[in-house]
Amino acid sequence: GDSVTQMEGPVTLSEEAFLTINCTYTATGYPSLFWYVQYPGEGLQLLLKATKADDKGSNKGFEATYRKETTSFHLEKGSVQVSDSAVYFCALSLSGGSYIPTFGRGTSLIVHP
Amino acid sequence: ETGVTQTPRHLVMGMTNKKSLKCEQHLGHNAMYWYKQSAKKPLELMFVYSLEERVENNSVPSRFSPECPNSSHLFLHLHTLQPEDSALYLCASSQDPQGRNQPQHFGDGTRLSIL
Repeated sequence: GDSVTQMEGPVTLSEEAFLTINCTYTATGYPSLFWYVQYPGEGLQLLLKATKADDKGSNKGFEATYRKETTSFHLEKGSVQVSDSAVYFCALSLSGGSYIPTFGRGTSLIVHP
Repeated sequence: ETGVTQTPRHLVMGMTNKKSLKCEQHLGHNAMYWYKQSAKKPLELMFVYSLEERVENNSVPSRFSPECPNSSHLFLHLHTLQPEDSALYLCASSQDPQGRNQPQHFGDGTRLSIL
């Protein structure tokens, strides 16, 4: 079946450090890929998305590139802030199959001043 | 403001109580979802409604009963719950399911505690 694998957390960084959160997927079709973020006490919200190979999604300084050859969608940010502390979820939905997304387990990011 | 409103935000109930969680979306979406989020566990999809018909029911115990009276409202009726049902319950909506690249929009959840 379809699945999403994320690196386990928590990821702990100092402010202004470089962030990478790894995400790889398996899918039988051609998925769209998403990153969601969940701040404390809130629901998930869409951070960025990419719908086809080599697309780059970006938002709020975060970026992720859809790599079909490595089935990956790693999240990066050049300089994290304390306010980026949250849980990040990678997800996919299939263009040719069920529209219900598959989520990864989430990666907690803690940024220290 | 996400466009998806869940009430109540917090709920404490005994195992013999009956209560309902409410979700309302103001985005014109026609698919709605219930998820359960427990500490240190993956996000669990419970129910999916598309065009007001239930299309997914992931082996959820019968003590959870969903209701979708129209495309803007979704309820989760609870009765005789167990302590392991304590969790954050998230509602989400999305645009026409045929637009499969459309992301989900989530509410802020109801934090449920079973005594």
